[in-house]
Amino acid sequence: GQQVMQIPQYQHVQEGEDFTTYCNSSTTLSNIQWYKQRPGGHPVFLIQLVKSGEVKKQKRLTFQFGEAKKNSSLHITATQTTDVGTYFCAGPDTGANSKLTFGKGITLSVRP
Amino acid sequence: NAGVTQTPKFRILKIGQSMTLQCAQDMNHNYMYWYRQDPGMGLKLIYYSVGAGITDKGEVPNGYNVSRSTTEDFPLRLELAAPSQTSVYFCATQLLSEGRNTIYFGEGSWLTVV
Repeated sequence: GQQVMQIPQYQHVQEGEDFTTYCNSSTTLSNIQWYKQRPGGHPVFLIQLVKSGEVKKQKRLTFQFGEAKKNSSLHITATQTTDVGTYFCAGPDTGANSKLTFGKGITLSVRP
Repeated sequence: NAGVTQTPKFRILKIGQSMTLQCAQDMNHNYMYWYRQDPGMGLKLIYYSVGAGITDKGEVPNGYNVSRSTTEDFPLRLELAAPSQTSVYFCATQLLSEGRNTIYFGEGSWLTVV
């Protein structure tokens, strides 16, 4: 079946540093989604990317969908302590209208 | 708008006991899911349902059962609880329509089996 991979599982940065993480799929995706889970909380939808090469920004967060639609990146500019949490990517199993497969997530810690 | 409501939020079970985690949604979403998340780990799919009357196993179904008699409710049953089932359980819903397939999670149920 489809695999969505996020490596590494943990990353520690100094506040103010930039942070980039990647998500790779074993198959071409019709779309990819990113979720954020704060410590002790539940995953919350951040964004969905659909088009090849698509780039979307949310304040200091930049999301990109690869040209081949098999990978995606999340870049955070000048990290803040509020960015702490686990970031999951997820892609549909088969077509656009199918259940999502989640990556294992990357847990970001930020040293003040 | 309540969204996805899970009860109870916290529960301690003794080994061998049974219990049901309740999940209710008021968004009329067709898909519903149960995930478990062990400390520091990712989400593992237990069961899912694509609509009332239909359920399917996920990645880790052993030790659990579900039912989906209505669109709104998707209870998760634990039979003969074991320490390995100590985890946080998330119910989630998804509306598959017009290319949008965002998943909405409940706030989670923390279960400890002792």
